[in-house]
Amino acid sequence: KAGVTQTPRYLIKTRGQQVTLSCSPISGHRSVSWYQQTPGQGLQFLFEYFSETQRNKGNFPGRFSGRQFSNSRSEMNVSTLELGDSALYLCASSLAASGTNTGELFFGEGSRLTVL
Amino acid sequence: DQQVKQNSPSLSVQEGRISILNCDYTNSMFDYFLWYKKYPAEGPTFLISISSIKDKNEDGRFTVFLNKSAKHLSLHIVPSQPGDSAVYFCAANYDKVIFGPGTSLSVIP
Repeated sequence: KAGVTQTPRYLIKTRGQQVTLSCSPISGHRSVSWYQQTPGQGLQFLFEYFSETQRNKGNFPGRFSGRQFSNSRSEMNVSTLELGDSALYLCASSLAASGTNTGELFFGEGSRLTVL
Repeated sequence: DQQVKQNSPSLSVQEGRISILNCDYTNSMFDYFLWYKKYPAEGPTFLISISSIKDKNEDGRFTVFLNKSAKHLSLHIVPSQPGDSAVYFCAANYDKVIFGPGTSLSVIP
């Protein structure tokens, strides 16, 4: 059974540019959550999608957006990149939406974004 | 406002001894608590969880204890092994899964 796949694994952008990250969940999983990991901050919740609908959004500016497709694949987009957006972006999938299950998530390896 | 806190950024333990990782939370609405383990260059992996109606859950060398009145949980690893060296994240679930900042555990051979 294939795990969660994130692409690209590494990318370098400059300030002001935009970036799109992709996540393919485990087959059959309908919930996809995105997290930002920075040193000392742990994993900060960005948003969760379930059946193409955003269920929840974290405390991030509107430059951070996402969507989910009918096949459960998800993308997140960051526009007008800032130096502080440099981080590891992690995608996680689960069968059911958070709040309706135990919260066990299956993570991908992440996309490492560097903003210069 | 950090709803899940791990006040120890790092911990070193001798191989064979007990490792105790601590976590505090503020939101009494959380109904599940989880521990995840993360190695460098990998995504976090689920380790063990506990329902808010329980006070202990055990899985092999790993035991999680929950003290609801103190809003505190802990993960015990006995005996600790060098392969346990990783970052451990405490997490809590209500309508979304919230993670703490992590504790880096080093198990010294």
